[in-house]
Amino acid sequence: GAVVSQHPSWVICKSGTSVKIECRSLDFQATTMFWYRQFPKQSLMLMATSNEGSKATYEQGVEKDKFLINHASLTLSTLTVTSAHPEDSSFYICSARDIDSNQPQHFGDGTRLSIL
Amino acid sequence: GQSLEQPSEVTAVEGAIVQINCTYQTSGFYGLSWYQQHDGGAPTFLSYNALDGLEETGRFSSFLSRSDSYGYLLLQELQMKDSASYFCAVRDGGGATNKLIFGTGTLLAVQP
Repeated sequence: GAVVSQHPSWVICKSGTSVKIECRSLDFQATTMFWYRQFPKQSLMLMATSNEGSKATYEQGVEKDKFLINHASLTLSTLTVTSAHPEDSSFYICSARDIDSNQPQHFGDGTRLSIL
Repeated sequence: GQSLEQPSEVTAVEGAIVQINCTYQTSGFYGLSWYQQHDGGAPTFLSYNALDGLEETGRFSSFLSRSDSYGYLLLQELQMKDSASYFCAVRDGGGATNKLIFGTGTLLAVQP
């Protein structure tokens, strides 16, 4: 079945560091990938929609200069949390849908980000 | 605004049947999905309803009533491994680019 790989699984770093998270679709092409953030015991909140070859679409309240998204190929999207602070600590999850849009979204295993 | 409401917690015993409800209010609607998420893990797709009625997939069934903006997930023959969070999610349009809006989530605890 369709697999989405997300890397790294865990990141612990100092405040002010920038952190890059990768999301890859392993056996299908995805013109669109999605980035979510999930705080403990809460739901998944969509941050942005990543579009291959064009600018990402950010949800209301999400700072595009803080959360940089690049989708340079049909199988890779990256999220960079710039100058991370403790309040950015969260579980970040990506998902992708096959170009055949009738398929469900497939999720990566998530990245747990802890900013000290 | 857009909202998908679910009960926050449900407790049931092994072997029982449990129903998790979802009521939604969204600007667009192109189907209701259900996802399971174990603590610290990725959401796993369970079921999808585009049209009214019941969809059955093994021990899991999902129901949709578009006129009532309501759906539910039915879990039968509960097992301990079913203890997890369950999310309904609305796809807000057709095409590959349209996004999923997730419900508030229901934490299911299955007891021996």
